[in-house]
Amino acid sequence: LAKTTQPISMDSYEGQEVNITCSHNNIATNDYITWYQQFPSQGPRFIIQGYKTKVTNEVASLFIPADRKSSTLSLPRVSLSDTAVYYCLVGGKAAGNKLTFGGGTRVLVKP
Amino acid sequence: KAGVTQTPRYLIKTRGQQVTLSCSPISGHRSVSWYQQTPGQGLQFLFEYFSETQRNKGNFPGRFSGRQFSNSRSEMNVSTLELGDSALYLCASSFGTGGINEQYFGPGTRLTVT
Repeated sequence: LAKTTQPISMDSYEGQEVNITCSHNNIATNDYITWYQQFPSQGPRFIIQGYKTKVTNEVASLFIPADRKSSTLSLPRVSLSDTAVYYCLVGGKAAGNKLTFGGGTRVLVKP
Repeated sequence: KAGVTQTPRYLIKTRGQQVTLSCSPISGHRSVSWYQQTPGQGLQFLFEYFSETQRNKGNFPGRFSGRQFSNSRSEMNVSTLELGDSALYLCASSFGTGGINEQYFGPGTRLTVT
């Protein structure tokens, strides 16, 4: 399973764009990149998933360069309610693969 | 569609006792995974069940066990509780098996062992 490295914490202000970069140097050909968000005392919530290039949904964008050794989660115009821990996960979809969470990035949005 | 439900939400047990936690997945989901979350170790995978069969297991001692019923509901059991078992236990369901498939997490059961 590919190991991921992401910053421990980040601070931002309301209305700004937050970009969290995750390194996954040994990503395998069949691996996908997925991001989850977790609020205190709640279960993680799926944000976005991608394989290559760029993926965008209603809450975030995911940028993946051609070599796929890193990825960047972009949260546009954050609000106080975006304060949470964000996890980057890398893995395959085949049976037998398990979801492995790293330490995550604690994002604090200030007023 | 109702989300993943876990019962009970909070539990206090004494060392040496055993505990059973329950998880009801989203309707139609056949995979249920269990995780332990602690401040020191973070989120750790316990096991996954799909169609009543354990498909994957994490690195936890045999005191941690689980099962899945024909309606996809799952239970997790921890025997001979230790202080270190105090944690938030989360279950997640997904339509298919395989880790990176989108998983829907429940609110968790907060277990405190005294």
